[in-house]
Amino acid sequence: KQEVTQIPAALSVPEGENLVLNCSFTDSAIYNLQWFRQDPGKGLTSLLLIQSSQREQTSGRLNASLDKSSGRSTLYIAASQPGDSATYLCAVRLHNRDDKIIFGKGTRLHILP
Amino acid sequence: DGGITQSPKYLFRKEGQNVTLSCEQNLNHDAMYWYRQDPGQGLRLIYYSQIVNDFQKGDIAEGYSVSREKKESFPLTVTSAQKNPTAFYLCASSIPDRKFGYTFGSGTRLTVV
Repeated sequence: KQEVTQIPAALSVPEGENLVLNCSFTDSAIYNLQWFRQDPGKGLTSLLLIQSSQREQTSGRLNASLDKSSGRSTLYIAASQPGDSATYLCAVRLHNRDDKIIFGKGTRLHILP
Repeated sequence: DGGITQSPKYLFRKEGQNVTLSCEQNLNHDAMYWYRQDPGQGLRLIYYSQIVNDFQKGDIAEGYSVSREKKESFPLTVTSAQKNPTAFYLCASSIPDRKFGYTFGSGTRLTVV
């Protein structure tokens, strides 16, 4: 059974620092991995989608990497800003007959002004 | 702009009542999903539908029901059989092609009063 883990559960860093959020999954048989952002009381906003054949994707100050063989993905945020404060979730789309995605529980990020 | 609309944003239910949460999308996506989000538990799949007039139970379907009469709409009914319905409910949609990611709505917060 696929399990997705995000460590740490919460993180506080000073504004301007570069930071890395981690996501690990137990079964490498995935189609893709998606990173989302969730603000308090809001829905999920898609940040980056990485296909299983890709190594990384970039959007602005965000860079997501994928190492399928080791079951790991990282989300790199450059030059963090207070507006980056949110919960970040990763999700993997399963490579089997069930069309489901499995979510991690998220990392709650707080950027200190 | 295309997207997913969930309504209402806040919903209050009395004990023993059924309530229906609305989810409408104009993305022309075939697949739609309902998730429940509780603090510390992450997102859990309630029901999903890959085509009109067909839907499948997710991991926590008991006490819920859905219909998919139109491609654009996937309403969720929380029945009186759901003993702990207070949660944040998220609707999502996707193209069934697994190369693509999920798009989420802004959510409905349901509270039992």
